Amino acid sequence: AQSVAQPEDQVNVAEGNPLTVKCTYSVSGNPYLFWYVQYPNRGLQFLLKYITGDNLVKGSYGFEAEFNKSQTSFHLKKPSALVSDSALYFCAVRDTNDYKLSFGAGTTVTVRA
Amino acid sequence: KAGVTQTPRYLIKTRGQQVTLSCSPISGHRSVSWYQQTPGQGLQFLFEYFSETQRNKGNFPGRFSGRQFSNSRSEMNVSTLELGDSALYLCASSLYTSGGANEQFFGPGTRLTVL
Repeated sequence: AQSVAQPEDQVNVAEGNPLTVKCTYSVSGNPYLFWYVQYPNRGLQFLLKYITGDNLVKGSYGFEAEFNKSQTSFHLKKPSALVSDSALYFCAVRDTNDYKLSFGAGTTVTVRA
Repeated sequence: KAGVTQTPRYLIKTRGQQVTLSCSPISGHRSVSWYQQTPGQGLQFLFEYFSETQRNKGNFPGRFSGRQFSNSRSEMNVSTLELGDSALYLCASSLYTSGGANEQFFGPGTRLTVL
């Protein structure tokens, strides 16, 4: 079985400050990890993924994520948040032995000007 | 390259009716997955198809079914609609590689309202 936890329903930051969205996962095998963003009334947009290799993954729009195997975490980060980063963020995991993608509950990010 | 398209975008049905939603994947993508998104349950996996075969299915009743055609286009059907079926239904496509490392690309969704 595989699962994802996003412990924070909401994250609020000021524009220009660092942004972190937390994610922990559970899989029986090796994980494939993904971050997606959803804007109101839109589908999900892919931000970045971790498959193997470097633990720090860089993605779209200045986002990056750090894979930590010992803590089973894959936190999303952005050094300097923008108001336009305000959206709903989803972490997702797929076990390498499974075709199914499991999503976390989502974290609403609000960046205030 | 055109993205994932879903039709219709909005649908209003009454309880007991059935509905069919359509999804056209990105050209060259052979894997299509369906998800249900609701405020209370979040994003829940419905099923995944590859080469017209269902490879995985989520925990939904048999009223929810799907299929994939030889051109990779997919449809999902919900019979005997219930109020709780009101949701945003998202389709996603991806390239197929062994082990499923490819990201999924999502369509804009079909907003189903059951009255």
